[in-house]
Amino acid sequence: DGGITQSPKYLFRKEGQNVTLSCEQNLNHDAMYWYRQDPGQGLRLIYYSQIVNDFQKGDIAEGYSVSREKKESFPLTVTSAQKNPTAFYLCASSTGPSYEQYFGPGTRLTVT
Amino acid sequence: AQSVTQLDSQVPVFEEAPVELRCNYSSSVSVYLFWYVQYPNQGLQLLLKYLSGSTLVKGINGFEAEFNKSQTSFHLRKPSVHISDTAEYFCAVSDRAAGNKLTFGGGTRVLVKP
Repeated sequence: DGGITQSPKYLFRKEGQNVTLSCEQNLNHDAMYWYRQDPGQGLRLIYYSQIVNDFQKGDIAEGYSVSREKKESFPLTVTSAQKNPTAFYLCASSTGPSYEQYFGPGTRLTVT
Repeated sequence: AQSVTQLDSQVPVFEEAPVELRCNYSSSVSVYLFWYVQYPNQGLQLLLKYLSGSTLVKGINGFEAEFNKSQTSFHLRKPSVHISDTAEYFCAVSDRAAGNKLTFGGGTRVLVKP
């Protein structure tokens, strides 16, 4: 079964700690994306990558970092510089001219 | 920059009644349009998409949407809802002139009542 996996489903951290969220896809998609979702605000783009070893900042990149060393993987690190990290994080991937995005199940991060 | 407005944040509707969710986007020469559904604590699932051609698009689970270029709208409809349609629905626009990044609306929460 092809798809996108995100782990873990729930993540708890203390303030001041960096935390890395995993995103893996076996769809052979070139592009991958990270979104943050807060209640009533829809999805906001954090980072995206259209090809291995290259990525671009989205609308709210401050306090986050990413890497794209393999086509299948696009991990997101939430650093201690992120002022309000508690949120639901969604990873997506896409390919082809329609640029339809396929989403993973999400990781809910709680920082206290 | 592209912007997407979903005019209703919540829509209560009775089972077997019709529902319409409104979506408007800022003007652009060429766009792709999408509707996604999200069930609680899950990722987004594509309902339907408009790329070109017929302005009436049919999707999964009995949903359809109509692209109106002059009104820059892409409203989603279902003639008869089920309890299982209770979810949050997101309209998204991909601006082909801006690298095809998706811009999402704020979402519409549909609550289907028995």
